[in-house]
Amino acid sequence: GDSVTQMEGPVTLSEEAFLTINCTYTATGYPSLFWYVQYPGEGLQLLLKATKADDKGSNKGFEATYRKETTSFHLEKGSVQVSDSAVYFCALRSNSGYSTLTFGKGTMLLVSP
Amino acid sequence: EAQVTQNPRYLITVTGKKLTVTCSQNMNHEYMSWYRQDPGLGLRQIYYSMNVEVTDKGDVPEGYKVSRKEKRNFPLILESPSPNQTSLYFCASSSDGSFSYEQYFGPGTRLTVT
Repeated sequence: GDSVTQMEGPVTLSEEAFLTINCTYTATGYPSLFWYVQYPGEGLQLLLKATKADDKGSNKGFEATYRKETTSFHLEKGSVQVSDSAVYFCALRSNSGYSTLTFGKGTMLLVSP
Repeated sequence: EAQVTQNPRYLITVTGKKLTVTCSQNMNHEYMSWYRQDPGLGLRQIYYSMNVEVTDKGDVPEGYKVSRKEKRNFPLILESPSPNQTSLYFCASSSDGSFSYEQYFGPGTRLTVT
């Protein structure tokens, strides 16, 4: 079945540092890929998405590129802020008709001033 | 404002006492879903619904029931809660169930079963 593997956290960074959170997936066909963010005490919000190979999703300074050859969708940001502290979830959705959203276990990011 | 609402936000109950967590969306979405979030396990889907009167099991449906009598509402029912159902629950909706549409999540319901 489909699965998503994320690097374990927490990831601790100083403000303005470069961020990478690794995400790899296993799925049949060509799934859509998503990054969701969960701020403390809140529900999940879509951060960015990519629906086909080589697509780059971007939002709020975050980027991720859909790499079919390495089955990866790593999240990056050039300069993190304290306000980016949250839990980040990589997810996929199979393109075989109606399907569920499969999540990774989440990676907590802690950014200090 | 487009949103998914859940009630209650926090609930402490005892084993065996039936409870319902409500979920409502105001975006006229076809697709709705329930997840539970547990430490180290991420989010796992409990049930989903592709439209009114159409529901199906997700990955962890045991001990839960759902109904979809109206498009906007998708309540989660625990007929006889047990301590292993202590978790953080999220309702979500999207335009439809197809693969490219994002899901919008509610704020979560933290349930404790003693």
